[in-house]
Amino acid sequence: DTAVSQTPKYLVTQMGNDKSIKCEQNLGHDTMYWYKQDSKKFLKIMFSYNNKELIINETVPNRFSPKSPDKAHLNLHINSLELGDSAVYFCASSQVEGTGELFFGEGSRLTVL
Amino acid sequence: GENVEQHPSTLSVQEGDSAVIKCTYSDSASNYFPWYKQELGKRPQLIIDIRSNVGEKKDQRIAVTLNKTAKHFSLHITETQPEDSAVYFCAAISSGATNKLIFGTGTLLAVQP
Repeated sequence: DTAVSQTPKYLVTQMGNDKSIKCEQNLGHDTMYWYKQDSKKFLKIMFSYNNKELIINETVPNRFSPKSPDKAHLNLHINSLELGDSAVYFCASSQVEGTGELFFGEGSRLTVL
Repeated sequence: GENVEQHPSTLSVQEGDSAVIKCTYSDSASNYFPWYKQELGKRPQLIIDIRSNVGEKKDQRIAVTLNKTAKHFSLHITETQPEDSAVYFCAAISSGATNKLIFGTGTLLAVQP
């Protein structure tokens, strides 16, 4: 009965490869997000979607492409991976856009070699 | 846009002592201020939040105070316990066309038994 689940939990890959992270929420929330947490623990918003519509694109390189097939899913595809992409990527959802509690997934640790 | 500064970056206290973490924000229109706790290797989770129409909110051993004039808010943890050890993040909503939650840089709290 996990509220926000993301897969895979760990990703180790070579520079230049393409990878995807999937996220699903069963809370019935309208808004979903991707956050990046770097090695210094800074949490930075990357994207938010409200009912499948892109709301926030926080000047993320276009190598990152989110896709929301329905409001319960928000996937993240990353092309041409770079060393600096190594981080923990958290998916989250909220009932209310912005001012509601964020429910985070467990995180996906991406390591680019 | 909103900018959130958080201090201190690390805090070590003895079990039973109080801990205070402070944040300042830049956008005077911000109206929602949550605090998240992230245990090692886990996801961030909301522990308390405050909206701009109140100055203080308390939940058992944790409390948050808000000074809208000075644009700062603080987290107070009393009678700290080892399980309070974690990274704590403050956040503020960025007003404008999109409601965007901006996180502070985090405080690593270590409670020494």
